[in-house]
Amino acid sequence: NAGVTQTPKFQVLKTGQSMTLQCAQDMNHEYMSWYRQDPGMGLRLIHYSVGAGITDQGEVPNGYNVSRSTTEDFPLRLLSAAPSQTSVYFCASSSRLTGSLGSPLHFGNGTRLTVT
Amino acid sequence: AQTVTQSQPEMSVQEAETVTLSCTYDTSESNYYLFWYKQPPSRQMILVIRQEAYKQQNATENRFSVNFQKAAKSFSLKISDSQLGDTAMYFCAFMKPSNSKLTFGKGITLSVRP
Repeated sequence: NAGVTQTPKFQVLKTGQSMTLQCAQDMNHEYMSWYRQDPGMGLRLIHYSVGAGITDQGEVPNGYNVSRSTTEDFPLRLLSAAPSQTSVYFCASSSRLTGSLGSPLHFGNGTRLTVT
Repeated sequence: AQTVTQSQPEMSVQEAETVTLSCTYDTSESNYYLFWYKQPPSRQMILVIRQEAYKQQNATENRFSVNFQKAAKSFSLKISDSQLGDTAMYFCAFMKPSNSKLTFGKGITLSVRP
């Protein structure tokens, strides 16, 4: 059982480049989300989705796009990378079935992104 | 909006001793969930413990227990018999079940000394 899989583990970009961070889960979870972790800031929510075709913004959405065409996948796109987007990115998912609300998030292992 | 505050950035404890990590939160909700996550140097986010706000009994998981004070909006984590493998960053988090979004505190770095 793979859980939440994120790729790549590490990435270096130049300012202005674009890229997509991949996230896939095999637990049939309705809820998926992206967080960024910066020193002294904890984890902050970028975007989230409660089901295929439904996405919404979190606390720090600027500079990022998401889409949810399937239950399993929730890619995060950086349109034009900036040094301020240097961070560790986590994808997480949970079940929202009746009786499962309040279930803990399952996290991927993170992607360390450096923008130079 | 919910806020989660972890005011201690770092703590240190001797192996086999007990340590308590503090967390306070602010919300107007009556039904919610609280979590502690552990992040060791491997960067993995590991669930330590979960508390449902409408349950008065404090959650426990082996050496980990919480002191949940709903009126005071306080949710501290007690680690008994600390082990070297407990060295990690610990995050307190709040969830409103209606949207599954987790709001995290800034984390505390715990070092266990041999």
